[in-house]
Amino acid sequence: GIQVEQSPPDLILQEGANSTLRCNFSDSVNNLQWFHQNPWGQLINLFYIPSGTKQNGRLSATTVATERYSLLYISSSQTTDSGVYFCAVSTDSWGKFQFGAGTQVVVTP
Amino acid sequence: KAGVTQTPRYLIKTRGQQVTLSCSPISGHRSVSWYQQTPGQGLQFLFEYFSETQRNKGNFPGRFSGRQFSNSRSEMNVSTLELGDSALYLCASSQSGTPLHFGNGTRLTVT
Repeated sequence: GIQVEQSPPDLILQEGANSTLRCNFSDSVNNLQWFHQNPWGQLINLFYIPSGTKQNGRLSATTVATERYSLLYISSSQTTDSGVYFCAVSTDSWGKFQFGAGTQVVVTP
Repeated sequence: KAGVTQTPRYLIKTRGQQVTLSCSPISGHRSVSWYQQTPGQGLQFLFEYFSETQRNKGNFPGRFSGRQFSNSRSEMNVSTLELGDSALYLCASSQSGTPLHFGNGTRLTVT
């Protein structure tokens, strides 16, 4: 099956810092999503981005499908950005996704 | 619009018992997927249902099963529980080509 690798596995940031999270995948995909999992376990959809660039406030994402990677940018980080960020990819258009292992982000005041 | 609703939030069961988890999708979403999250294996796909039919199945033993009703609500069942089945079980709903939306999950502890 498709392999999804996320880097770095852990990230410690000071409040206000910027960061880039990376997701590499081993095959062509139809769908790609970025999620944030908060400390209570809730998975929140951040971006649905099979290709191109999207921005939502301090977060933005870019997927280069031809080169099989996606980047998630966090700017001016806040303590509420702490949690685990997951990249998930799918080769169909529905609900079967392969998740990466995640990047654990800790933002310190 | 109401989000994906999963019940119960927490469950404690004993080895050998069976358990049923419920998921109500976002109104209008016909696809319901189930995922298992454990510290060791991460997030793993269990199965997906669409219009009461299983569309996809992950690599889990037959003790894990599911079904979907005509109103798109879904249930998953785990029989003969093992300690390793302790996990956060997440349900997601979607439509074709739209983002997955997850519920808050059911945390199952098997003792």
